[in-house]
Amino acid sequence: DTAVSQTPKYLVTQMGNDKSIKCEQNLGHDTMYWYKQDSKKFLKIMFSYNNKELIINETVPNRFSPKSPDKAHLNLHINSLELGDSAVYFCASSQEAGVAGELFFGEGSRLTVL
Amino acid sequence: GQQVMQIPQYQHVQEGEDFTTYCNSSTTLSNIQWYKQRPGGHPVFLIQLVKSGEVKKQKRLTFQFGEAKKNSSLHITATQTTDVGTYFCAGRPNDYKLSFGAGTTVTVRA
Repeated sequence: DTAVSQTPKYLVTQMGNDKSIKCEQNLGHDTMYWYKQDSKKFLKIMFSYNNKELIINETVPNRFSPKSPDKAHLNLHINSLELGDSAVYFCASSQEAGVAGELFFGEGSRLTVL
Repeated sequence: GQQVMQIPQYQHVQEGEDFTTYCNSSTTLSNIQWYKQRPGGHPVFLIQLVKSGEVKKQKRLTFQFGEAKKNSSLHITATQTTDVGTYFCAGRPNDYKLSFGAGTTVTVRA
């Protein structure tokens, strides 16, 4: 079983559309994250949830809205997609939000905005 | 802004040679983690260092945490084609959120 799974793996869409990426972890972890990796491979944290509560909300356009229905799921909804949103989006989870939390990443969702 | 700096950005290595990638922070880190991302893949956790001056080894990989807990290094000996990928360090300044370095992308010449 995949520990952190995200869908879809690939997403090609037009500017202005709205799209969602889903993430699920079966590790029993309390904390989940969304990271954005641009073409230069830089990993930038977007959001983090601990037990369904938002704990990290970086400077991200409010077109991006995370939702955590339970601690095993963290979804990302993006409104009015722009060209600059093209990137690979990684979901991750960790057992703890603090010092000891190694991250387990999903396989990524490659978003291409045309 | 980016709190954890990593150099070099690219490393082209002849198979069999050694190389080192470095990670530096302006503030003390509570711990440092290293991840590897293969081309087309996702970051995978390699190791975590917590103590000042700590050194850990995984086969041909040697990880070091500086005495001041502001820098770290990853040294790979006898590079193989399986070492291709991007290596990220990630540190927690002041127990705050994990901050990733920009990564060192390694290519290997056979």
